[in-house]
Amino acid sequence: SAVISQKPSRDICQRGTSLTIQCQVDSQVTMMFWYRQQPGQSLTLIATANQGSEATYESGFVIDKFPISRPNLTFSTLTVSNMSPEDSSIYLCSVGTSQWSSYNEQFFGPGTRLTVL
Amino acid sequence: GESVGLHLPTLSVQEGDNSIINCAYSNSASDYFIWYKQESGKGPQFIIDIRSNMDKRQGQRVTVLLNKTVKHLSLQIAATQPGDSAVYFCAEKNTGFQKLVFGTGTRLLVSP
Repeated sequence: SAVISQKPSRDICQRGTSLTIQCQVDSQVTMMFWYRQQPGQSLTLIATANQGSEATYESGFVIDKFPISRPNLTFSTLTVSNMSPEDSSIYLCSVGTSQWSSYNEQFFGPGTRLTVL
Repeated sequence: GESVGLHLPTLSVQEGDNSIINCAYSNSASDYFIWYKQESGKGPQFIIDIRSNMDKRQGQRVTVLLNKTVKHLSLQIAATQPGDSAVYFCAEKNTGFQKLVFGTGTRLLVSP
């Protein structure tokens, strides 16, 4: 399994500011994913970030609001831009463990708990 | 703790009972399924997976059953323990698209 860490673990931010969340993995992985989990809700995929290509965003999420970087095979960042209280959520980084098989386990980081005032 | 599971359906059991958590999935083309456990303040933890060419898979104290006819997935936990208390999510994937879609989740409460 992959060990995933995220920074910060939580933050309280003011409306209109931006926060960059970091995700570090202890091994090289091809596929990295960013999810959002709103209070009391399930997980929703924001985007897929594969190294060497632009991130692919899901419906309802745009690059201007959630820019993503993927500089290497062990690291990614997600920025939440121009925040509003509706962005208050848990943001989770996830990785796929095999680039060779689609039937691969997907592991999650501990999450970043964001509160926007 | 965090508010994960605040509005989710809840299953309450006694310690030692067997628990069954159900999930209806949405996409008949999904061919891979995973169950996750999420404790308060933590990220989802992988429990067990199953491919669509199987209808049952067993792990340690857990069994996953898949009924493709009715698009239903269940997680059975034997001899449930207080440490099993958490929110449980099923997730489905069409492996042609690499996108994991999560169900709504069920909160399991285990009383000693």
